[in-house]
Amino acid sequence: GAGVSQSPRYKVAKRGQDVALRCDPISGHVSLFWYQQALGQGPEFLTYFQNEAQLDKSGLPSDRFFAERPEGSVSTLKIQRTQQEDSAVYLCASSLRTGNQPQHFGDGTRLSIL
Amino acid sequence: GQQLNQSPQSMFIQEGEDVSMNCTSSSIFNTWLWYKQDPGEGPVLLIALYKAGELTSNGRLTAQFGITRKDSFLNISASIPSDVGIYFCAGTAGGTSYGKLTFGQGTILTVHP
Repeated sequence: GAGVSQSPRYKVAKRGQDVALRCDPISGHVSLFWYQQALGQGPEFLTYFQNEAQLDKSGLPSDRFFAERPEGSVSTLKIQRTQQEDSAVYLCASSLRTGNQPQHFGDGTRLSIL
Repeated sequence: GQQLNQSPQSMFIQEGEDVSMNCTSSSIFNTWLWYKQDPGEGPVLLIALYKAGELTSNGRLTAQFGITRKDSFLNISASIPSDVGIYFCAGTAGGTSYGKLTFGQGTILTVHP
């Protein structure tokens, strides 16, 4: 497809389980971002990749959160030992180049931790 | 961290009315963007602004990048039912080179037919 694709769309996990969320950016887009959106709030920055390099992970809430983009295209956000406060929508966005380029968002993964 | 204050939090209007919402920051932003988000979907870019004072239109939408670089507004003229949704301002703070976005809290727009 032409847009950013995220999977799964919905994920339910028990507290303590590990989860992996996938993002397929728009083909050829250099920059990839992950954001976390709590209910009723705006998205908040988690981490940024330029190609395969993770250049900023300052928004990751704890060391239980890990992201990778090994070949500079698909990215995975992994959350280990999930907690209830991890429940949120996780959004992925990509942009064509580095710098202040418009970011195009996927529809997100809604994560619910029971 | 950076904060964007977006107002109003919600609006209830009649179809055909004009709408205005704004966003302010305590620090300088290099870019301002306006997104619309429908339930269960990701934010969709409406307008991007890159220069202080810039005024840009996209159909019935008009947005401006404030001259101080600390604010932006979005106007929607002649609202229609499909304008319903949550509108977010977003920006890249001064000193950020790669486009990391800070978002406002959103404005929930309801349009009565």
